[in-house]
Amino acid sequence: AQSVTQPDIHITVSEGASLELRCNYSYGATPYLFWYVQSPGQGLQLLLKYFSGDTLVQGIKGFEAEFKRSQSSFNLRKPSVHWSDAAEYFCAVGARVTNAGKSTFGDGTTLTVKP
Amino acid sequence: DAGVIQSPRHEVTEMGQEVTLRCKPISGHDYLFWYRQTMMRGLELLIYFNNNVPIDDSGMPEDRFSAKMPNASFSTLKIQPSEPRDSAVYFCASSTQGSTGELFFGEGSRLTVL
Repeated sequence: AQSVTQPDIHITVSEGASLELRCNYSYGATPYLFWYVQSPGQGLQLLLKYFSGDTLVQGIKGFEAEFKRSQSSFNLRKPSVHWSDAAEYFCAVGARVTNAGKSTFGDGTTLTVKP
Repeated sequence: DAGVIQSPRHEVTEMGQEVTLRCKPISGHDYLFWYRQTMMRGLELLIYFNNNVPIDDSGMPEDRFSAKMPNASFSTLKIQPSEPRDSAVYFCASSTQGSTGELFFGEGSRLTVL
């Protein structure tokens, strides 16, 4: 069975500083990988996804993530954080087979941005 | 384009009452998912449909929970009778990319059972 670990429950960074949110997954093959963001009172919104090809994927709002098969990781990065990036971030992994069950979400990382 | 639409956004009810949550997926999406989010358990998949047919309901917590999708543009999640431990935010999501592809979430229905 697949699983996702987001080791950091809460991260605080200063506005303008760089950001890296960690995500490790467990899956027997190369999965689909996603990062979602959830602002307070809102649903989850897709930031970026990895299906195949280039292991460095670009997303919305200036975010990027790198798939590292050897480390089973898919860490999310942003070079300069804005106050509006304060939110909860979820990593998710899905199998590459139709109707292969559900995507698995991590427990989330809450990002606080200091002025 | 309209996103996933959920109603009501907020519901406060008393224990024992019936609760019905509604969802309109994005037009053309053939997968629909119901999730529940709580602080204690995080994001849990309750059930998902493909072409209006329930595929996996293993996440439905009890017989008190039921979900239907009578047509491609409407789904309901019903709790009868409701209990305080059902208090949570319930999200509907839709997709065109199979059961493990990109999900488009609604804004959620926050349920409080007193």
